[in-house]
This record gives sequence, structure tokens and C-alpha cells, in this order.
Amino acid sequence: GQQLNQSPQSMFIQEGEDVSMNCTSSSIFNTWLWYKQDPGEGPVLLIALYKAGELTSNGRLTAQFGITRKDSFLNISASIPSDVGIYFCAGPPGTYKYIFGTGTRLKVLA
Amino acid sequence: DAGVTQSPTHLIKTRGQHVTLRCSPISGHKSVSWYQQVLGQGPQFIFQYYEKEERGRGNFPDRFSARQFPNYSSELNVNALLLGDSALYLCASSTGQLTDTQYFGPGTRLTVL
Repeated sequence: GQQLNQSPQSMFIQEGEDVSMNCTSSSIFNTWLWYKQDPGEGPVLLIALYKAGELTSNGRLTAQFGITRKDSFLNISASIPSDVGIYFCAGPPGTYKYIFGTGTRLKVLA
Repeated sequence: DAGVTQSPTHLIKTRGQHVTLRCSPISGHKSVSWYQQVLGQGPQFIFQYYEKEERGRGNFPDRFSARQFPNYSSELNVNALLLGDSALYLCASSTGQLTDTQYFGPGTRLTVL
């Protein structure tokens, strides 16, 4: 079945550092979404992308919809301790459901 | 505005029992989707309902069923519980348009002993 692969799987960074993560698909997506999930909570939408090449920011977060439509990237600038969590990419593969990536676990060291 | 609400927050059941989970979507949203999230993995799609009709189903056994009510709230039912059904069950609501963004509730943590 379709899969979204995220990398890295996990990362430890120092507070204040910039973070980059990416997501790749085996097929073309028309929408890319990035969610953050804290332990025991539901995913919270961070950024939605609807057009190939689109670059969208939400505060310190910036995400890009890859030109090939098979990948997307999320950057976090000047990380802070509350950025800790699991970041998921997701997309609807042409139907009504979302497919989620494998997640990137971020830990920020103060 | 209230977000997506789910009840209960936690639930403990034993193998073979039945469970009902409930979800209320964001006001004005007509579509509800259910996802199962096993520890350490991303959410997996179970069902989507729109205007009380099932619009999509994931790769889950017939022990899983759902329904949507006239007020757009929804129930997820799981029969003959297995240990492997232990997971966080997430409900997401949207307006129902194909490309519309889904907003997730806090989830129900189900533990099967």
C-alpha cells in the first residue's frame, strides 16, 4: 500500500538550533499536511500545502510542497523546548482518507 | 468554538468484550473520520462518514463498525476485542469536501487486557 516515509526518525537538538525534516511518498499527492502530536494527545495541524512548489510559514515553522509532488519538507527555526513532540506528514491520496508518515520524534535539549 | 471532542478519554476492556467510542465534530462540520494509532506509529484510517453515510473504509476487520447521527456526531464500535486493538482511537472532523483539512480530537486511549 501507499506509504509516507519520514526522515529522520528521531533527533536530539540543542535549544536555538534549526531543524529540518522531510517526507517522501511513493505516489503523487495533491495536498501535504504537517501535524504535531504531543504524548497522549491528538495530532494538531501545523501547516497545509495545496500547490506544488508552495512555501508556507506559520511562525517559526516553514513547510514546502516539493516540485515532484512526491515530497514535502518542514523546517523549524530557533527551536525551543515546547517544540518537543512527534511531527507527522500526511496527505489524502486522492480519496477521503489521510495517509500518515512514520513520524519524526524531536527532542530539544535546553 | 469548541474543537473535536471524544469520549471517554481512557477505557480498559478485556478480550472478547465490546466497546463504543464517541465523537462530536466541530460545529458546522459534516464529516467524521476515525483512525487507530498504535503506540509508536502514525494514525491508520478506519472509516469516514459524511452526511450519515459511510464514504470510505480502511483495511480493518468487520469487528469494527461505525455510524453517524443526524447531528453529525459519530460512534465507533469494536466487537470481540483483541489485545491488538489496544491503541489511541482518533476522531477527525472536516466539512466533507475532498480536499478539506481534517482536525483531530484528543483521542480515546483503549487498553485491552
